[in-house]
Amino acid sequence: QSVLTQPPSVSGAPGQRVTISCTGSSSNIGAGYNVHWYLQLPGTAPKLLIYGNNNRPSEIPDRFSGSKSGTSASLAITGLQAEDEADYYCQSYDSSLSGSVFGGGTKLTVL
Amino acid sequence: QVQLVQSGAEVKKPGASVKVSCKASRYTFTDYYIHWVRQAPGQGLEWMGWISPKSGGTHYAQKFQGRVTMTRDTSINTAYMDLSSLRSDDTAVYYCARDPGGGLDDYFDYWGQGTLVTVSS
Repeated sequence: QSVLTQPPSVSGAPGQRVTISCTGSSSNIGAGYNVHWYLQLPGTAPKLLIYGNNNRPSEIPDRFSGSKSGTSASLAITGLQAEDEADYYCQSYDSSLSGSVFGGGTKLTVL
Repeated sequence: QVQLVQSGAEVKKPGASVKVSCKASRYTFTDYYIHWVRQAPGQGLEWMGWISPKSGGTHYAQKFQGRVTMTRDTSINTAYMDLSSLRSDDTAVYYCARDPGGGLDDYFDYWGQGTLVTVSS
């Protein structure tokens, strides 16, 4: 069981907007630690999508955005495209565990 | 472009040890922490710990303390992750990843291609 909780799956039609939640607790997200997001295509290494809650690396399109509030964070994807179909993971730091923690991952299906 | 190139797949018997390497290039190796993350088949990502290539200092996830050792060789820009007393549930793809900031809640901007470690009798 992951310290950060994500829905196992989400889906949306091309062009639509989807959000993926990441719920933590007072020892991680709620303590003010940053949340980061990664995308993983099958058989490949994770790729950084969002860092520091809402910052995008230069090569990531602005269709992807992140937010954080309280003990939760969210990743939003607008203008859904077929190539967005992948697994998405959130990551933060947990002071009780004294280390980085990941969410269990969310599989995005583009209908 | 930053590159992290890992060693090849390994097959080990239960109780054995495995050492995975991660060779860095196209950046100053000693300026960025290296973390190790693993992913069991069909499962999510699990953080294992980090090493500071500059000082050699390490910090391991509680789950792996006593079984994992992270080292580095600055002469060849390579980090290593050694996992001992292997069990079948250690079967996973092991990734190294670069940490651009070195802070507690930092992120991983570049990842190695992954090394599959299979533990089977």
